[in-house]
Amino acid sequence: DTEVTQTPKHLVMGMTNKKSLKCEQHMGHRAMYWYKQKAKKPPELMFVYSYEKLSINESVPSRFSPECPNSSLLNLHLHALQPEDSALYLCASSHLPSANEQFFGPGTRLTVL
Amino acid sequence: AQRVTQPEKLLSVFKGAPVELKCNYSYSGSPELFWYVQYSRQRLQLLLRHISRESIKGFTADLNKGETSFHLKKPFAQEEDSAMYYCALSGSNLNEKLTFGTGTRLTIIP
Repeated sequence: DTEVTQTPKHLVMGMTNKKSLKCEQHMGHRAMYWYKQKAKKPPELMFVYSYEKLSINESVPSRFSPECPNSSLLNLHLHALQPEDSALYLCASSHLPSANEQFFGPGTRLTVL
Repeated sequence: AQRVTQPEKLLSVFKGAPVELKCNYSYSGSPELFWYVQYSRQRLQLLLRHISRESIKGFTADLNKGETSFHLKKPFAQEEDSAMYYCALSGSNLNEKLTFGTGTRLTIIP
């Protein structure tokens, strides 16, 4: 399996809801990433997990909570989001947490009402 | 701070004509430069990286440290090259993040 998969593809949630985004890879990669991409903008890094430990948090609000249960899985827990958090959330992985090729998932399109 | 500049948001080129997508960067150390591409309805994927010095789908890019540039070139554009292209930069150390430019949407005119 040489792909990064993300579920769900689409998510609509209210500002009081709690939901989670999931990401999975089985390429043996030891670095995993969450990006946020607004329309017509480049991906913006949110979090980096390196060997299952959080190594970079780009000053993301606490309503976004990442979790890396094991080397193949990455979750993003969402709580009390705002409408401006609506975006495409991309997961990526790379062999090592350095200047390696990053493999991107298809993204989860999130709409916050 | 690291920064990537892609001056052209949109670029239209006739099929068969040469293509050049510009990328300039700012980085104090030794950078690793990449071009990522996103075709319509497909995921973001790596096109090429400077360290590999490959030609992928006819595209090449040379890192010019003097001009701090990493322009993407192809001598003869094809319709399937229409896509969004992002230049990206990372440091060479462990745990350095990937910074994307704002992207250039390339349209090949038949």
